[in-house]
Amino acid sequence: DAGVIQSPRHEVTEMGQEVTLRCKPISGHDYLFWYRQTMMRGLELLIYFNNNVPIDDSGMPEDRFSAKMPNASFSTLKIQPSEPRDSAVYFCASSLAGVGNTEAFFGQGTRLTVV
Amino acid sequence: AQSVSQHNHHVILSEAASLELGCNYSYGGTVNLFWYVQYPGQHLQLLLKYFSGDPLVKGIKGFEAEFIKSKFSFNLRKPSVQWSDTAEYFCAVNKGAGNMLTFGGGTRLMVKP
Repeated sequence: DAGVIQSPRHEVTEMGQEVTLRCKPISGHDYLFWYRQTMMRGLELLIYFNNNVPIDDSGMPEDRFSAKMPNASFSTLKIQPSEPRDSAVYFCASSLAGVGNTEAFFGQGTRLTVV
Repeated sequence: AQSVSQHNHHVILSEAASLELGCNYSYGGTVNLFWYVQYPGQHLQLLLKYFSGDPLVKGIKGFEAEFIKSKFSFNLRKPSVQWSDTAEYFCAVNKGAGNMLTFGGGTRLMVKP
């Protein structure tokens, strides 16, 4: 398996524009996580899905952020409208449920810069 | 609420020095514990994990960690660091349900050649 695949790797956009980040989890994994990493706040969990259903979105900072998982092999994180303070690296991770299977595998991340 | 604390934010060592990074968590129930490493410009990779059994866990690249339940700690150690260990290290805890990981704030390690 190629691992967790995120696209794009880098995104530069202007304030006010819509941004969509994409993630393909490892095949067969039934948990998917979106994290945001900044210097100030470290790694923060934004939202996670189990079997395509959002379980906990309490980390989503504002209504400008939304995430979907239409099927087991694809998820999106959308920011509309984007703001400079959204600049960060966004990681997607997936894992397989079960006792002793809580290791999360991370994608390469998307570095978002909002100017 | 469950939290994970890494007390050292920045560590600078010379090659061949010994390393110990602290990690404490606040959750009192059964936990799974992890250390992840993030090399410059890369994604997080698993170094080692503890689920049960021997509290001394050996990971990749010569790293090990010891789970001390009474101290709620899971410190990472390496007897002799190399320049290539320069990275950020994250401790993480999963309390066994929902597969959700809570990360510590990370420790940036710089190893001087």
